[in-house]
Amino acid sequence: RKEVEQDPGPFNVPEGATVAFNCTYSNSASQSFFWYRQDCRKEPKLLMSVYSSGNEDGRFTAQLNRASQYISLLIRDSKLSDSATYLCVVNRNNNDMRFGAGTRLTVKP
Amino acid sequence: DAMVIQNPRYQVTQFGKPVTLSCSQTLNHNVMYWYQQKSSQAPKLLFHYYDKDFNNEADTPDNFQSRRPNTSFCFLDIRSPGLGDAAMYLCATSRDGMQQETQYFGPGTRLLVL
Repeated sequence: RKEVEQDPGPFNVPEGATVAFNCTYSNSASQSFFWYRQDCRKEPKLLMSVYSSGNEDGRFTAQLNRASQYISLLIRDSKLSDSATYLCVVNRNNNDMRFGAGTRLTVKP
Repeated sequence: DAMVIQNPRYQVTQFGKPVTLSCSQTLNHNVMYWYQQKSSQAPKLLFHYYDKDFNNEADTPDNFQSRRPNTSFCFLDIRSPGLGDAAMYLCATSRDGMQQETQYFGPGTRLLVL
C-alpha cells in the first residue's frame, strides 16, 4: 500500500464547476499536510497547508480528518488556469515529506 | 527572482556515462533535498542535506551520490546512468526541515539517457 494515496483522476470539468479531490495517508504519526500544484513539466508549488480545523483560501478549501487519515481539497468556480496536477503531501517527521502521485485536473471552456 | 535554480534544465547523457546535476539557492536555507520524479508518479526523495549533514534514503541506489560544498550549492551525481534513471530531478530547500515548513522547489532537470 502506498503511503499517500490519491484519486487517480483525471478529472475533466467545465469552467465554473466545483470539484473535490481526496487523499488518504497511512502513517498515523503524520503531523503536517499540504496540497501542492504541479503544472505539466514544471516543479511542484505550494497551494496551501492543511490545518486540523480546515482552512480556506479563496476558491480553495482544504479539510483534514485525522481519525480517518483523510485529506481533501475542494475547488469552487473552477477556472481554466486551475488545470494542473494536485499533489497531496504528508510530512511524517522532520525532513520526511511524502508525496502522493497526484490527481490531474482539466478544466474545459 | 529565482530562489532555487537548477542547471541544466535538460540533460542528455549516454548509458553509463557519469552526469552531474546542479542546484543552487538564494534563500540561505539549511536543508536541501533531491527528488526523482518519473512520469505520472510522485516525487521520490533520494536524500537531503541538513547543512553539511548528509541523509540518504534507505532505498536510494548507490548509483546516486550527492555533494554540498557550501550552503548555496548542492549537486546530484549519477555515476552510471541506466535507462531507468531517465526522469525529472527536482531540488528543493527548506529553512530547517521542520514538519510544518514548506519546501521550495527548483524548476527541475529533465534527464534523458540514451
